[in-house]
Amino acid sequence: GAVVSQHPSRVICKSGTSVKIECRSLDFQATTMFWYRQFPKQSLMLMATSNEGSKATYEQGVEKDKFLINHASLTLSTLTVTSAHPEDSSFYICSARTHGGALTDTQYFGPGTRLTVL
Amino acid sequence: QKEVEQDPGPLSVPEGAIVSLNCTYSNSAFQYFMWYRQYSRKGPELLMYTYSSGNKEDGRFTAQVDKSSKYISLFIRDSQPSDSATYLCAMSASGKFYFGSGTKLNVKP
Repeated sequence: GAVVSQHPSRVICKSGTSVKIECRSLDFQATTMFWYRQFPKQSLMLMATSNEGSKATYEQGVEKDKFLINHASLTLSTLTVTSAHPEDSSFYICSARTHGGALTDTQYFGPGTRLTVL
Repeated sequence: QKEVEQDPGPLSVPEGAIVSLNCTYSNSAFQYFMWYRQYSRKGPELLMYTYSSGNKEDGRFTAQVDKSSKYISLFIRDSQPSDSATYLCAMSASGKFYFGSGTKLNVKP
């Protein structure tokens, strides 16, 4: 199956700093990538949809100035949490969409990044 | 009404049991149906993918889609303790994806 990597897998930072998370599709090109947030024992919460070469589309309630998304190439999307605060501590997961004709439309997920803001 | 409904469980079964996981949905436009397995503190892993109606089998896993009833299932035969995880159903249409809330499965040795 298709492989998606995320880096870093874990980050601990001080309140007020910015953190960048990278999401890469390793063996396929992805025009669309998604960013999710997941709290303990809860389901995935879609934050934004990232399209290569255009601005990301944010879900209602997600601050676009707080969570900056850049999708500069067909294999890389980045999420930057700006001026992070303890309430931003969470598990962030990216996914890449594969869409190969009429019969294929699915997402492959990265392993996730655990962010802890002190 | 949510687009996708999934019983959160937890579902506890003995090793070797047949497990049935289910989701219902309301949008008849959904064409692509997926099952993901998520271990604690890991990203979801795509297990099964089905286009339109029908059955699909892969080893111990069988995915079933009944579009007339708007109902999808994942069957796990000969369940193993390593199958203990949260299982998410997902479906899509026109590039928009909708996920169930996940069913937590515990397979006891």
